[in-house]
Amino acid sequence: QQQVKQSPQSLIVQKGGISIINCAYENTAFDYFPWYQQFPGKGPALLIAIRPDVSEKKEGRFTISFNKSAKQFSLHIMDSQPGDSATYFCAASTSGSRLTFGEGTQLTVNP
Amino acid sequence: ETGVTQTPRHLVMGMTNKKSLKCEQHLGHNAMYWYKQSAKKPLELMFVYNFKEQTENNSVPSRFSPECPNSSHLFLHLHTLQPEDSALYLCASSRLAGFDNEQFFGPGTRLTVL
Repeated sequence: QQQVKQSPQSLIVQKGGISIINCAYENTAFDYFPWYQQFPGKGPALLIAIRPDVSEKKEGRFTISFNKSAKQFSLHIMDSQPGDSATYFCAASTSGSRLTFGEGTQLTVNP
Repeated sequence: ETGVTQTPRHLVMGMTNKKSLKCEQHLGHNAMYWYKQSAKKPLELMFVYNFKEQTENNSVPSRFSPECPNSSHLFLHLHTLQPEDSALYLCASSRLAGFDNEQFFGPGTRLTVL
């Protein structure tokens, strides 16, 4: 019940396209859903996060869509750029508990 | 130095060696974490320290021994490791130990156990 399932495992998108990464969870007590971005040779860095009281959060080209009833949330990258090529991790937690991470999605944006 | 730094960046050790990983955060945070990152697997939380006190040990084998002398420094002492312990070991810090506080990660130490 603590798992977070992430898909796809890898994604190739053309420059200017939309990248979509999906995550699903079982624990309805989760109340914090961050996305982390990791470049090769670097540690993960927080990209954007959402709480279940809203269905969408947008920061620049990055948008989280949250569907509480379906227990799913997704990351949309609009106008994808080669510089967005990285590994993306979704995660979830309840207040004061550990972050449970998805398995990661390796995104490649071709020029 | 800024952010979270980790040394060494790469480490190769035999199964009988003893080595230590070092993490230092320059962010004034009070919580520090060790994670293990293996290929195609979710990040695994190993240990949590809050104000220098260990608050979580995620059933980590005793061949991994953490030490937190102060809120800025975190060590992971390694001894008699197994080849399956080869992974990227990430250190992170956050302002407080509540997990919805943004965690700042270091670049990691790539460990290879022969």
